[in-house]
Amino acid sequence: DAGVIQSPRHEVTEMGQEVTLRCKPISGHNSLFWYRQTMMRGLELLIYFNNNVPIDDSGMPEDRFSAKMPNASFSTLKIQPSEPRDSAVYFCASSWFGGKYDEQFFGPGTRLTVL
Amino acid sequence: AQKVTQAQTEISVVEKEDVTLDCVYETRDTTYYLFWYKQPPSGELVFLIRRNSFDEQNEISGRYSWNFQKSTSSFNFTITASQVVDSAVYFCALRSPETGANNLFFGTGTRLTVIP
Repeated sequence: DAGVIQSPRHEVTEMGQEVTLRCKPISGHNSLFWYRQTMMRGLELLIYFNNNVPIDDSGMPEDRFSAKMPNASFSTLKIQPSEPRDSAVYFCASSWFGGKYDEQFFGPGTRLTVL
Repeated sequence: AQKVTQAQTEISVVEKEDVTLDCVYETRDTTYYLFWYKQPPSGELVFLIRRNSFDEQNEISGRYSWNFQKSTSSFNFTITASQVVDSAVYFCALRSPETGANNLFFGTGTRLTVIP
């Protein structure tokens, strides 16, 4: 299995620009998670989906952030407009919720820098 | 509410020493799951172990071992005969499905440096 795939791996953009992060979960997994990691706040959950449906988006910082999962094999996290404080590493993870082994497997992350 | 505490921010050991990383958790649920992840300098998060609340048996995997004690709400991780490749940030995490949450609550991590 290829594991969780994220793109791009690195993104540098200017304040005010739209940023779209992409994630392909492990085939067969039914849960997908978006996390953000910063030095100040550590690892924090932004949103997660079960069977393509958003279940908990309480971690989404504000309306500038939005996430979609149009099908079981693809999800996006969009920031519009981006701000310097959005600079962080964004991880996508997937798991098989409801199974005996439901640990989350993480993608390599996208390092976002907003200038 | 769920909470994970990793009181050790940074630990340095000399190669071949044993080291224990502490993890203390809080939850009101009777069914829950505990995890350890490793984040090497390259940045990815690597799953190490999953343990459910009904299984207090300690686990050993090569040089790694885990000690789960419900009485003290702890799930400690020991590396025996540490190696330079063990240098990483280690995260303990908790999932409590009874509250309807499928997400992980992470501790703040412990940065382990193994000195050659």
